[in-house]
Amino acid sequence: AQSVTQLGSHVSVSEGALVLLRCNYSSSVPPYLFWYVQYPNQGLQLLLKYTTGATLVKGINGFEAEFKKSETSFHLTKPSAHMSDAAEYFCAVTPTSGTYKYIFGTGTRLKVLA
Amino acid sequence: EAQVTQNPRYLITVTGKKLTVTCSQNMNHEYMSWYRQDPGLGLRQIYYSMNVEVTDKGDVPEGYKVSRKEKRNFPLILESPSPNQTSLYFCAAWPAGSSNQPQHFGDGTRLSIL
Repeated sequence: AQSVTQLGSHVSVSEGALVLLRCNYSSSVPPYLFWYVQYPNQGLQLLLKYTTGATLVKGINGFEAEFKKSETSFHLTKPSAHMSDAAEYFCAVTPTSGTYKYIFGTGTRLKVLA
Repeated sequence: EAQVTQNPRYLITVTGKKLTVTCSQNMNHEYMSWYRQDPGLGLRQIYYSMNVEVTDKGDVPEGYKVSRKEKRNFPLILESPSPNQTSLYFCAAWPAGSSNQPQHFGDGTRLSIL
């Protein structure tokens, strides 16, 4: 069965510092991978996704993620944090065939310090 | 504008009083799903629907019902709500064809069952 692990339920960074949010998946076959962001009192919005092709994926708001099959990871990064990046971030996977079932991680709340 | 609309956004009610949370999408997407979000647990799927009159259980279906009589609507029914169903609920919609499609989420419904 597929699963997703997000290390660190809370991450704090200073404004301008590197953001690194970790996501590891467990699957016998590499799945499709997604990062979503949730701002207060809002639903989830897609940041970026990996399906096939280039393993470094760029998303909105300066975020990017790299799919590393050997490490079963899909970590999210941003070179320079901005106050507006404070939100909760969810990693999600879905199998490339069969059921259209998304598995979400437990989320990482990012705090940006002035 | 692509939208998933949930109503109500907030509801406080009492144990045993039947309630319905509505979800409507304007994107003509085949797939729809309900999730609940609880601290430390991320999003857990309650039910999903592949098309009109086709639904299936997710990971936590107990105590919930759904129906899909029209493509655009996917209501969530709690026939006898209990306090352990106090949570933040999200509806999502996405197109069929491939599981690499991201989900579009509503803004959420916060339910408090007293």
